Parts: sequence; structure tokens; C-alpha cells
Amino acid sequence: GAVVSQHPSWVICKSGTSVKIECRSLDFQATTMFWYRQFPKQSLMLMATSNEGSKATYEQGVEKDKFLINHASLTLSTLTVTSAHPEDSSFYICSARILAGIYNEQFFGPGTRLTVL
Amino acid sequence: GIQVEQSPPDLILQEGANSTLRCNFSDSVNNLQWFHQNPWGQLINLFYIPSGTKQNGRLSATTVATERYSLLYISSSQTTDSGVYFCAVEGWRGSTLGRLYFGRGTQLTVWP
Repeated sequence: GAVVSQHPSWVICKSGTSVKIECRSLDFQATTMFWYRQFPKQSLMLMATSNEGSKATYEQGVEKDKFLINHASLTLSTLTVTSAHPEDSSFYICSARILAGIYNEQFFGPGTRLTVL
Repeated sequence: GIQVEQSPPDLILQEGANSTLRCNFSDSVNNLQWFHQNPWGQLINLFYIPSGTKQNGRLSATTVATERYSLLYISSSQTTDSGVYFCAVEGWRGSTLGRLYFGRGTQLTVWP
């Protein structure tokens, strides 16, 4: 099956530092990847859509300068949380989409738990 | 966007019981997926089912696209089935195309 990895799986950082999270599709190429955020006991909230070779599309209310997304290849997208603060602490999940004709399915990474002190 | 409503929000079962989870959505969809989020947070793909019926072991799903709902059936539940079950859809038109809209999930707890 389609496998998506994320690294790191968890990270603790000090307020004001930047954190980079990597999302890789291991056995398929993905022109589109997605970044979600999930708070405890809540559903997934889409933050941005990452397209290979072009700028990401951010959802309303998501700060582009805070959450930098780079989709440099067909198998790698990165999310950088810049100048992180405690309110950025959350569970971040990426997904990659397989698109073939009308078939269109997303596969998710295991998530990254970010704690900002 | 597309509204996705899942019911029930919580479900507690004893091992061996059967259950039905429901997902209603507010617009026509070209993609519907069911996921199981395990206690470690990993979303596991259960079904890609924009229409029709599929079965995989003890799990099966049916989507009636014309009536805008999908059902997930779990038979002979096991403790390892515990977790949150999410339904997510993608629309056909405009801004609803190309992204998934998630429901709030059903928290399933299976007791031995």
C-alpha cells in the first residue's frame, strides 16, 4: 500500500525557535500534499495544500509567514514553523494524494507532535 | 465548504458486538474516505468509497451518493478496533475540489 512518512515524530523546542517537519511519500509520487493540524479530541483542520514546484495554498486564517511550506520534489514536502510559540503546540499531520483519472485517495503520515516551551 | 456530520459521536461496545457508524454530507462528492485513527494518532485508510459497497474482513462500507450518506459497519468488534473513526469527503465543484472535509469523528471504545 501507499506509505507516507513524517519526521520527526515528536519535537520539543523553546519559544522563538523554528522547527522543520518533513513529509515523504515512500512508494509513490505525489504532486499534491496536504498539511493538517489536530488539537486534542478534535478533528483534523486543513492548514495548506502543497503543490510540487509551486506555492502552497493556505486556508483562511493560517499565517503564511508562520507556517512555511516547501514542496521541492514529487516525494517531499516540508513544513517549517517559524518563531514557534506555545500556542503552536499541536499534532501536525501530512498527507499525500494519489491521483489517477477519477481515482483520488489521500494517505496520511504518522504525525508530528510539537511542544513549544 | 461541505458539511460532514458523523454519528454517533461516542460508541461503547463489548467485544464481539456489531456496530454501524454513519456519515452524512451536504453536497455531491467525488471522493469519500473512511479512516481509523489509532491511539498513537496515525490515520489508517479503511475505505475509498465515493459510491457503492466494499468489504474488507470484518469491516464493510456503503455509500449512497444520491442520498448523501455513507455507513461503516464493524462486525465482531475487537479491542483493537478502539479509536476514532473519521469520514472525509471531497466535492466536485470549485473550492470544494482538491481537498478533504472531515467530520468530527466517532470515538469507539471496545471493552473485553
